[in-house]
Amino acid sequence: GESVGLHLPTLSVQEGDNSIINCAYSNSASDYFIWYKQESGKGPQFIIDIRSNMDKRQGQRVTVLLNKTVKHLSLQIAATQPGDSAVYFCAERTPPTTSGSARQLTFGSGTQLTVLP
Amino acid sequence: NAGVTQTPKFRVLKTGQSMTLLCAQDMNHEYMYWYRQDPGMGLRLIHYSVGEGTTAKGEVPDGYNVSRLKKQNFLLGLESAAPSQTSVYFCASKRSADTFYGYTFGSGTRLTVV
Repeated sequence: GESVGLHLPTLSVQEGDNSIINCAYSNSASDYFIWYKQESGKGPQFIIDIRSNMDKRQGQRVTVLLNKTVKHLSLQIAATQPGDSAVYFCAERTPPTTSGSARQLTFGSGTQLTVLP
Repeated sequence: NAGVTQTPKFRVLKTGQSMTLLCAQDMNHEYMYWYRQDPGMGLRLIHYSVGEGTTAKGEVPDGYNVSRLKKQNFLLGLESAAPSQTSVYFCASKRSADTFYGYTFGSGTRLTVV
C-alpha cells in the first residue's frame, strides 16, 4: 500500500471485484484525511474525506476506514469498474509548523489502480 | 461553473527564461495553492495564499514567486527557469481555513525546462 513519501505502488483488480487501497500517514495529530483520484493528464479529484473523530465513512461505492492506533487509512471501492483505473492518493491535514500559520495538506505519492477486463 | 482554470496547459522553457503560470477560480474561494508533482512523489506545496493580497511559502518555495492581486487569481512566476523545475504544476483552492472540504484542483500545467 501507499505511504507518504514512498514510490508509487500498483494494484491490479478484476472488473467487478472490490479494491482496497492503503495509506500509512505520518502525523498522529492530523485531523482530517482525504482520498483523491487522479486520471492520466488530469488534476486530482476529491473522492471522500474523513475527520479524525470518525472510524468509517461511506460514499457511493467507496468507503474510507481510519485506524488512528496504527496511523492507517484505507479506501475500499466496491464493484470496481474500468473507469476506476487511476492513481489514488491520500492526504492528511497536519498541524501548523509555525505559530500562526495554517494547517496544510501532506500528500502521499499514490497507488496506481488498474482494472482488468 | 469552470472551477479552477490553469493556463497554459503545456510549456517548454529554456534554462534561464522566465514565465508566469496563471490560476483562476470562480468559486469565491479564499485560499489558493500552488503545488508541483514529480514522478513517484506526492504533491508538494510551493506557495499559498489565504486571501487577496497575501502570500506565504510552502514546502518548496525556492525559485518561485507568487502574487494574489485579485481574489480569483493566483500567479506563479519562475524568474530564471532551471531543469529541476521541470514538473507538473497544479493550482488548488478552497473556501476557507476551517472548511472540512477537499481542495478543488485545476487540470495542471506541464512544464519542461531544457
